[in-house]
Amino acid sequence: EAGVAQSPRYKIIEKRQSVAFWCNPISGHATLYWYQQILGQGPKLLIQFQNNGVVDDSQLPKDRFSAERLKGVDSTLKIQPAKLEDSAVYLCASSPGTGAGYEQYFGPGTRLTVT
Amino acid sequence: AQSVTQLDSQVPVFEEAPVELRCNYSSSVSVYLFWYVQYPNQGLQLLLKYLSGSTLVESINGFEAEFNKSQTSFHLRKPSVHISDTAEYFCAVVTGGGNKLTFGTGTQLKVEL
Repeated sequence: EAGVAQSPRYKIIEKRQSVAFWCNPISGHATLYWYQQILGQGPKLLIQFQNNGVVDDSQLPKDRFSAERLKGVDSTLKIQPAKLEDSAVYLCASSPGTGAGYEQYFGPGTRLTVT
Repeated sequence: AQSVTQLDSQVPVFEEAPVELRCNYSSSVSVYLFWYVQYPNQGLQLLLKYLSGSTLVESINGFEAEFNKSQTSFHLRKPSVHISDTAEYFCAVVTGGGNKLTFGTGTQLKVEL
């Protein structure tokens, strides 16, 4: 079974530029998550989708971050414009459902450096 | 709101020695507890979890963790570590009916010969 795929793996941009990350979850997984992991910290949930609907985006900086999951499969996370403090690893995860018993499967992440 | 504290940012240990990685949580409601491991250049993987039942849970590679409600802890232990256990370990908690994970800051386990 293929795991969660993310691209690109690395991205370097200048502040005020825009960037987009792509995630393909495990086939059949209805729930998709985007996390931000700043160096020295644990992952922080940015947004959670159930199929193509948003379940939780309370920690998403909506003035600059946006995410979509068209057709309930792939998802993109966009930052526009980027700030220096957005430098982090962006992790995508998926799970079969939303209950605590469902394991979240993580992708390898995209490491973003904003200069 | 719940929080997770991992007091040790780094834990160096010699191969075949025992290790304990500490995790404490704060929550006034029932919790589900997890340990994730991140090997170098890889994604996070679930190591073990406590949802209900026996408070002692084990992983397939020899790690175990015990849910202690009175001490609000979920420490991770292994009686004899191997070089291949070198990785970063994250404790996480879910409260309520959903599965929103709140992670600790992680503990880097470095196993040396």
